[in-house]
Amino acid sequence: AQSVSQHNHHVILSEAASLELGCNYSYGGTVNLFWYVQYPGQHLQLLLKYFSGDPLVKGIKGFEAEFIKSKFSFNLRKPSVQWSDTAEYFCAVNQRGTYKYIFGTGTRLKVLA
Amino acid sequence: DAGVTQSPTHLIKTRGQQVTLRCSPKSGHDTVSWYQQALGQGPQFIFQYYEEEERQRGNFPDRFSGHQFPNYSSELNVNALLLGDSALYLCASSLETGEVHEQYFGPGTRLTVT
Repeated sequence: AQSVSQHNHHVILSEAASLELGCNYSYGGTVNLFWYVQYPGQHLQLLLKYFSGDPLVKGIKGFEAEFIKSKFSFNLRKPSVQWSDTAEYFCAVNQRGTYKYIFGTGTRLKVLA
Repeated sequence: DAGVTQSPTHLIKTRGQQVTLRCSPKSGHDTVSWYQQALGQGPQFIFQYYEEEERQRGNFPDRFSGHQFPNYSSELNVNALLLGDSALYLCASSLETGEVHEQYFGPGTRLTVT
């Protein structure tokens, strides 16, 4: 079955620490990839996206992600986290030619001030 | 620029009842998708509407149905509610001609079935 895996369910970091959240998917075809963020009390917002081209994509608030096709991965990174990055992060995959997004189960990030 | 709006915010229903949730897409968008997000899970795709037709459906039973109106707004209907239908229901809108149907999400409707 098609799936998206986020292996880190809960992550706790101190401010200024580096962040890497894993995302792996199980589709063999061409995909569009997304990271969404949900801050406390707010709705899902798009953090960054990959459709084609440079596999290293940059998003808002200093986040970036790298698409590694051979590993079916799209990991999210940030060199130095801030307290305001405390949120839940979701990886999502859209298989080209379909309309649905398949989401991972999310990673709850807590940044300690 | 109005984003995706959903109503109501919260809803409590009893098992066996029926419920209707509403969604207005982001200004300029013509496509609406519905997702169910259970506690501790990621959103799961229910279906997508475009040109007032359901064009793709996820693994949800026929108790889940929908509608899209000429102004692109949409409704999600759930019949014969089960306790397991308790979840956050998210609406997402996109533009058919937009870049790979990038989806924008609303705040959701929290449904509790007792």
